[in-house]
Amino acid sequence: GNSVTQMEGPVTLSEEAFLTINCTYTATGYPSLFWYVQYPGEGLQLLLKATKADDKGSNKGFEATYRKETTSFHLEKGSVQVSDSAVYFCALILTGGGNKLTFGTGTQLKVEL
Amino acid sequence: NAGVMQNPRHLVRRRGQEARLRCSPMKGHSHVYWYRQLPEEGLKFMVYLQKENIIDESGMPKERFSAEFPKEGPSILRIQQVVRGDSAAYFCASSPGDRVKGYGYTFGSGTRLTVV
Repeated sequence: GNSVTQMEGPVTLSEEAFLTINCTYTATGYPSLFWYVQYPGEGLQLLLKATKADDKGSNKGFEATYRKETTSFHLEKGSVQVSDSAVYFCALILTGGGNKLTFGTGTQLKVEL
Repeated sequence: NAGVMQNPRHLVRRRGQEARLRCSPMKGHSHVYWYRQLPEEGLKFMVYLQKENIIDESGMPKERFSAEFPKEGPSILRIQQVVRGDSAAYFCASSPGDRVKGYGYTFGSGTRLTVV
């Protein structure tokens, strides 16, 4: 079956530190990959996406590259801010998968001054 | 464009009562999805609906849960005879069509159900 594995949190960083949140996937086919962000008490917002191998998604200083050879889609940001504190979810969707998003369990990021 | 609207934001029910969660999709969107987020877990797919039609309910518990998306009005997720284990955040999402592979879809802010 399809699955997404994320590194466990919480991840605690100082402001301006470099961020990596690991995400690997298992899928029967060629998925599209997504990162969603959930701020406290809110719903999920699409952060970035990539639809094919070697695509790089980017938004708000965050980046992730679709690596087919390592089945990974790691999230990175060069300099985090306190306002980036949230839970980050990696997800995939497959053609013919009934439009179902398969999510990882989420990684909480805490950024401190 | 108001986005995906869910209400209520918070809902408290006693064990055995019914819970009704509402979702109005984005304007122009005809496909609705419901997901459940249990504490400390990721989101799990529940059901996918089009107007007047359930496309995929493979994630719905077999008993007490039902969903509809009528021709007029919001989509409703209904939980009968709630139990403590139903306490979770329920998120609705919508898309304009069935080709979402390269798009994902837009989520609402969720309804947080607490069963006491």
